[in-house]
Order: sequence, then C-alpha cells, then structure tokens
Amino acid sequence: DSGVTQTPKHLITATGQRVTLRCSPRSGDLSVYWYQQSLDQGLQFLIQYYNGEERAKGNILERFSAQQFPDLHSELNLSSLELGDSALYFCASSEGTGRNTIYFGEGSWLTVV
Amino acid sequence: GENVEQHPSTLSVQEGDSAVIKCTYSDSASNYFPWYKQELGKRPQLIIDIRSNVGEKKDQRIAVTLNKTAKHFSLHITETQPEDSAVYFCAASGGDYKLSFGAGTTVTVRA
Repeated sequence: DSGVTQTPKHLITATGQRVTLRCSPRSGDLSVYWYQQSLDQGLQFLIQYYNGEERAKGNILERFSAQQFPDLHSELNLSSLELGDSALYFCASSEGTGRNTIYFGEGSWLTVV
Repeated sequence: GENVEQHPSTLSVQEGDSAVIKCTYSDSASNYFPWYKQELGKRPQLIIDIRSNVGEKKDQRIAVTLNKTAKHFSLHITETQPEDSAVYFCAASGGDYKLSFGAGTTVTVRA
C-alpha cells in the first residue's frame, strides 16, 4: 500500500459524459501528479500540483481539468468524454517537487462506451 | 522539457540470466533517475533510484548505473526469476521539476 488513495477504482460511462476522479495523497506529501495510461501505452504525464498550485503541465487535453484543494486532495475532471479517453488514470504524490520519489495510487479504470 | 528514451521495448530472457534496460535523457539539469516496475493491472512501484552525485547503486539483484556525461542510465537485473516479469519504466526529473517517463520495457522471464 503506497498510501495514495484513489476513487473510484472502476468507472464505466457513456461518451459525452463528465466524470471526476479523486485522489488523496500520502500523509505529508504536498505534490500530486496525474498520469494517463492507455492499453499497452506508457505513462503520460497530465498535470502536477504543489501545495494547491499548478506546478507543471503535460499533454492534458482542454476537456480535462484538475485542482488541488486546501486539504491537499486532488480531483481530475474529464468532460465530453470520448472512446479514446478509456484508460487507467493514476494519481501519484511526493513530498516535494520533481526530484523526490513519487508514489502511485492503485489507479482509476475509466471505460467510455 | 525532458525527453526520455528507453530501449528495448521488449526483452525476453531465460531464467537465471541477466536483463539490461537502457535509457537516455535530454536535459543536462536532470539529477534524479528512478526506475519503476509495473505488473499487469497494478500500479507502478519504485524499485530503485539514483541521483546524479552517484554513479552506481545496487540493491540485491538490481543495480542502476548512471553516466551523466553521456546522459544515459541503465537498469541491470541479475539472476532473473519469473516474478521479475513485468513492465519496467525509467524516468528522469529535469530542470522543470517534472518527472518524465520512458515508454517502458516489457520483460518476460522464460522458465
């Protein structure tokens, strides 16, 4: 158990819908990262927050948004869902930024039908 | 930003043999290089990491080497066992503090 908690574990939704994925970082970690992993694909970095502020942005679509709240949990919002958005979405956390070890949650499996 | 390339994409080894995975990075400011192992349907888990002030690090059957001049680092697994079968990702943290991952290497250990 990494200490990073993600909900829901599995989600099936229809195209055009909107979903919210939730992440609670490890106790004491200030950074939260979101990654997308499609079937047989690598880990695509989406976005990073540090202590409530956006720190780095990757290949995140405009239909996707995220935020980190004062209690440090984070949410990833995916809207106008398409079939190609089906993937495993990982949240990870670290104590600081970038050069600290990051720990991954179990992931949220999103299936768009 | 940082660009990490990882080779090979697939690797099949006989049980007991060694496996080597190589990664190159582009940002000379990078100074943190972790390796993650991901089993099917599971989360990536850190197996070893190295920082730029160290050239080599070992942990039982796993070792990582770093060549900052050439901007490449490698993972070595000795005496491979069936449970070493997984996808391995290298990563590098560049000057933008973003951890960038390689594309992954699928390792299969044949019994």
